[in-house]
Amino acid sequence: SQQGEEDPQALSIQEGENATMNCSYKTSINNLQWYRQNSGRGLVHLILIRSNEREKHSGRLRVTLDTSKKSSSLLITASRAADTASYFCATVSGGFKTIFGAGTRLFVKA
Amino acid sequence: GAVVSQHPSWVICKSGTSVKIECRSLDFQATTMFWYRQFPKQSLMLMATSNEGSKATYEQGVEKDKFLINHASLTLSTLTVTSAHPEDSSFYICSARDLGLGEPQHFGDGTRLSIL
Repeated sequence: SQQGEEDPQALSIQEGENATMNCSYKTSINNLQWYRQNSGRGLVHLILIRSNEREKHSGRLRVTLDTSKKSSSLLITASRAADTASYFCATVSGGFKTIFGAGTRLFVKA
Repeated sequence: GAVVSQHPSWVICKSGTSVKIECRSLDFQATTMFWYRQFPKQSLMLMATSNEGSKATYEQGVEKDKFLINHASLTLSTLTVTSAHPEDSSFYICSARDLGLGEPQHFGDGTRLSIL
């Protein structure tokens, strides 16, 4: 069963703007990951943040984690048309199964 | 980086046919592989966890006899959709976890299955 819920479900922005996606989950986790999926393709891992971390950066990506609120956010700065994709958060509990959120569909208009 | 190869990329077949999908880890060993199903514009739903040399662990609601999983080696897991029907049409994605690196998972490019 899915654990994470993401909002917004879809987001449309202009190139150069920042995009923020949020994810909430229900149970305690070992870590939380963000993935990207281009239409009809597999998933690409973007970034992993562990339960004892609060913020992590990777290039134009910034991820925050608030375990007290069971939520995470993914910020993509200076978005590009090529960032258009679906973005999923995923949680790992007990070091085993990865459960995906519903995803946010991001459209970046050139 | 770690690569997972999934084959075939897409398949169209008649109702009643059994379809086998392969998932291979190309440059690492994977004791655990995962099979997901994804409907259009929806998220990935975990179907089963495939463990090398043992029986797969299926998620609730997934028919074991319908979706046969075999994980015969540390680099290969197969999913066979038996007697497929139109409602089995979906996008199936596998992933594998590297023994040495642990998380995160590495995903195949998926198989689009269309049953006529």
